[in-house]
This record gives sequence, structure tokens and C-alpha cells, in this order.
Amino acid sequence: EAQVTQNPRYLITVTGKKLTVTCSQNMNHEYMSWYRQDPGLGLRQIYYSMNVEVTDKGDVPEGYKVSRKEKRNFPLILESPSPNQTSLYFCASSLSGTGVGEQYFGPGTRLTVT
Amino acid sequence: GESVGLHLPTLSVQEGDNSIINCAYSNSASDYFIWYKQESGKGPQFIIDIRSNMDKRQGQRVTVLLNKTVKHLSLQIAATQPGDSAVYFCAEIDTGGFKTIFGAGTRLFVKA
Repeated sequence: EAQVTQNPRYLITVTGKKLTVTCSQNMNHEYMSWYRQDPGLGLRQIYYSMNVEVTDKGDVPEGYKVSRKEKRNFPLILESPSPNQTSLYFCASSLSGTGVGEQYFGPGTRLTVT
Repeated sequence: GESVGLHLPTLSVQEGDNSIINCAYSNSASDYFIWYKQESGKGPQFIIDIRSNMDKRQGQRVTVLLNKTVKHLSLQIAATQPGDSAVYFCAEIDTGGFKTIFGAGTRLFVKA
């Protein structure tokens, strides 16, 4: 089944404890992206990747890191999480390297930072 | 499910009626637009897209209209069904920058 998977689905952590949220797609898509979703703010793009080893900042990259060592994986790293990073996170992928075209979204990761 | 839009604009329609959801986009350089549907507890799901060289595109029960003059996008859903109840987002993509910008969303309630 074609899909985007994220792990974990739920995570509660404490301020400053490094964490990684994994994202994997099995559709051989070029483009991958991370979004955060907060009430009343819609989805805001954190980082995106046009292809392996090519990443760039979205609108809200502060406090996050990403890497794209393999085409299928695009982990989101929070080196020192803070409470303002409590949010619902979505990973997405798209066939086109520009992000144009349908983006397939993962099921989301609910992160709480205390 | 997750609560993703506590303060969203809301549209309430009767089952069988047509729905129109509006979106104002921000970047005049955006040349590709998508409508997504998000049900409770799930990620957004593609509905329909349109390029800036078009002003209308139709899908199954859905139509997207684009007015570049006023930077406005609308999604029309024909014969709205209870399964259409969800939050709807428009998204714009500036292909020059590869970024995707989402609107704040509209919650659609369908009354049976």
C-alpha cells in the first residue's frame, strides 16, 4: 500500500531532551516536507526537501533540523525541544521535486513538550 | 481525533445542497493551487488542484475557481453529503521557491 508513515504517533517529552520523529514513504517520491499544525493557524511548513541531500527552510524552521540521506526517509530532529514546539506534526511527500502535485500526508505525530 | 481548528470559520449546509468554500491567497507569484480535505484525526487529503493559467477546473462533484485579479480561490462541492464534513484548506505553491503555504482552513458541517 502506498503510504507515508510517521513514528511515533504520540510523544510526550520534557524541555531540552533531543528527539527525532521519523518519516518514511514507499512511493519513490522526490519531494518531502514537514508541517506543524496549530489551532487557528493551519499548516505551516517547517522544512522541505526536493531530493536526496537537498533541503531548504520553510516558514517556521527555527528549532528544527532535517536530513535527507535516502530518498524514502526524511526525519525531523528537535535538538532541544521547548514547550512552544508542542504541536501536531505532519510529514508529506510528492512525486514532483518541486512539490507541485498532490502531496500525500502521513497520519500525524502529536508532540507535547512539558 | 485531534482538534486541529478550534477557531476556524465554519460553513453549515444542508445535505444535498451545494457548498462554496472561499480562500484568499497571499502571493501573487504563486502559480499552483490545491484544495485539501482534513477529517478528524487524519492528515490532509488531496481534493483538486489548478494552475494559474486556468480559471476553472472540475472534478467529481467538486469545482475549483481561481480569480487571480483578486487573489481568490473557491471550492464548490455539489450535492454535499455527510461524508464531506471536514476542515478544508487551500494551499498555494510558488514553484520558484518550492514552498507550500496553507490557508487557515474552513470547517464544513453537513446537516442530515
